[in-house]
Amino acid sequence: QSVLTQPPSVSAAPGQKVTISCSGSSSNIGDKYVSWYRQLPGTAPKLLIYENNKRPSGIPDRFSGSKSGTSATLGITELQTGDEADYFCGTWDNSLSAGVFGGGTKLTVL
Amino acid sequence: QLQLQESGPGLVKPSETLSLRCTVSGGSISNTDYFWAWIRQPPGEGLEWIGNVDYRGETYYNPSLKSRVTISADTSNNHFSLRVNSVTAADTAVYYCARQRTGMDWLDPWGQGTLVTVSS
Repeated sequence: QSVLTQPPSVSAAPGQKVTISCSGSSSNIGDKYVSWYRQLPGTAPKLLIYENNKRPSGIPDRFSGSKSGTSATLGITELQTGDEADYFCGTWDNSLSAGVFGGGTKLTVL
Repeated sequence: QLQLQESGPGLVKPSETLSLRCTVSGGSISNTDYFWAWIRQPPGEGLEWIGNVDYRGETYYNPSLKSRVTISADTSNNHFSLRVNSVTAADTAVYYCARQRTGMDWLDPWGQGTLVTVSS
């Protein structure tokens, strides 16, 4: 059971927009920055969003992040088949003094 | 460009100790802005943060693994290591190392990962 809660799967058509939620508590998301990672099949996770809404160099502006209270959201616009992957949210938990992840969301581009 | 590479045995027997090393190139693990982390992913499952270490040897561990895990840093050779004692089949996973911004603001970059199977 993951500390952060994500939907197991989401889907949308090419060209459409999708959002992925990540729910936590006051000891983690409510007090810390959230990051998002994309994991393509058979590869290591890659940083997609950091500090709630910042994109590393090379990540297109189709990807966006936001945070409100104890929840965070990843948005992806102009969906492409190449966006099919697992997406994970992560942060620090003050109560556990440990890093925590969501269970991951599988994105299918129909 | 910073790169991380995991190395170690791919097969460990039950009750024995799993030992992995993460070699860092293109940067120093003595950088005071970062910790150095281990994360694992059982086959078909999600990510589990194991723990981290900084250049002084300060560590944080996942409470669920703390009794069996040791993470250490070797600044002279620019690598850090993971040991998991008394392994069982539940420890079978792809193990990743990564650079972690203080407070887990983010993890980047990640190593490519190494599969460790626990089996007799």
